[in-house]
Amino acid sequence: EAGVAQSPRYKIIEKRQSVAFWCNPISGHATLYWYQQILGQGPKLLIQFQNNGVVDDSQLPKDRFSAERLKGVDSTLKIQPAKLEDSAVYLCASSHLPPDTEAFFGQGTRLTVV
Amino acid sequence: KNQVEQSPQSLIILEGKNCTLQCNYTVSPFSNLRWYKQDTGRGPVSLTIMTFSENTKSNGRYTATLDADTKQSSLHITASQLSDSASYICVPHSGGYQKVTFGTGTKLQVIP
Repeated sequence: EAGVAQSPRYKIIEKRQSVAFWCNPISGHATLYWYQQILGQGPKLLIQFQNNGVVDDSQLPKDRFSAERLKGVDSTLKIQPAKLEDSAVYLCASSHLPPDTEAFFGQGTRLTVV
Repeated sequence: KNQVEQSPQSLIILEGKNCTLQCNYTVSPFSNLRWYKQDTGRGPVSLTIMTFSENTKSNGRYTATLDADTKQSSLHITASQLSDSASYICVPHSGGYQKVTFGTGTKLQVIP
């Protein structure tokens, strides 16, 4: 079974630039998550989709972050404009519908904002 | 507010030794708790899941315990190996679509 695919693996941008990350979840997983993991911390949920609908985006900085999951499969997370504090690893995860809570994670995209 | 505290923050042990990692949480209601292992540069991987009715569960050299009354869990690693070097993250869950709160993790380093 293929895992969660993310791209790119690394990205370096200047502040105020924009960036987009892509995620392809495990086939058949209805739930997709985007997490932000700052160095030394645990992952923080940014947004959770069920199919193509948003379940929770309460911690997504909506003035600069946006995410979509067209057709309920692939997803993109965009930051525009980026700030220095956005430097982090952005993890995508997917799972079956609740109450199954095991999330399968991609390798993440390491973003450095300079 | 749901909170998860893990201790110690970091730990260095000799290969072959045992260690125990702690997790205290305030998630309510409580449905289950997972321990994840996160290797450097990789996403977390689930090690074990415990429901509120379970006290102990083993997965190879990993043994997790849960006390739902005191809202504490531990992860015991027996006969540590170099490959155990990673961050271990505790994740209690309220069930359903409740937001999941990840602990900050314990960074374990096993040295030869």
